[in-house]
Amino acid sequence: AQTVTQSQPEMSVQEAETVTLSCTYDTSESDYYLFWYKQPPSRQMILVIRQEAYKQQNATENRFSVNFQKAAKSFSLKISDSQLGDAAMYFCAYRRGRLNTGNQFYFGTGTSLTVIP
Amino acid sequence: NAGVTQTPKFQVLKTGQSMTLQCAQDMNHEYMSWYRQDPGMGLRLIHYSVGAGITDQGEVPNGYNVSRSTTEDFPLRLLSAAPSQTSVYFCASSYSVLPGEFPTEAFFGQGTRLTVV
Repeated sequence: AQTVTQSQPEMSVQEAETVTLSCTYDTSESDYYLFWYKQPPSRQMILVIRQEAYKQQNATENRFSVNFQKAAKSFSLKISDSQLGDAAMYFCAYRRGRLNTGNQFYFGTGTSLTVIP
Repeated sequence: NAGVTQTPKFQVLKTGQSMTLQCAQDMNHEYMSWYRQDPGMGLRLIHYSVGAGITDQGEVPNGYNVSRSTTEDFPLRLLSAAPSQTSVYFCASSYSVLPGEFPTEAFFGQGTRLTVV
């Protein structure tokens, strides 16, 4: 079974600084996707960034980027120029690859990010 | 754009009562799923569907039933509510750009907070 581990229950960062959230996963598959979702107090799950396992290039979305280390099964999220609106719970998620007939995401336990003004 | 709509947003049930959590999406997505979110445990898959008339169990299906009579709707039924089912429930949908292709990321509803007393 796939497992996703987020070892940092809480993190904090000064506004305008950079913070990195860690995520590791365990899988025997070679084809999969990884995601970071943000959950603000509104409870809505918002996709932050997505990484295809077959792509070596790290995904980037504006201030958000990932460091994807496939051999190490590591998928960290870097938030640059942190803003107050970035404060939220962040979930790392794994989804099985092309042959999967379902749509099961495996989620980590989340990292609560506080942004200090 | 409505996206994924869940009703109700909040619900309190007595032990032994039954109820249905509603989920509807207007994006013509073939994949739909139900997750529950508990403190310190991330999101866990309850049931999922890969299309109308097709459902399957996820990681934590006991105590829940689902059906998928239409593409748009995917209700979750609690047959006899128990305090252990106190949780936040999320419905999600996704689609494949091309048949057989990898589905996109999950689009989530805003969640239903259920308390069983």
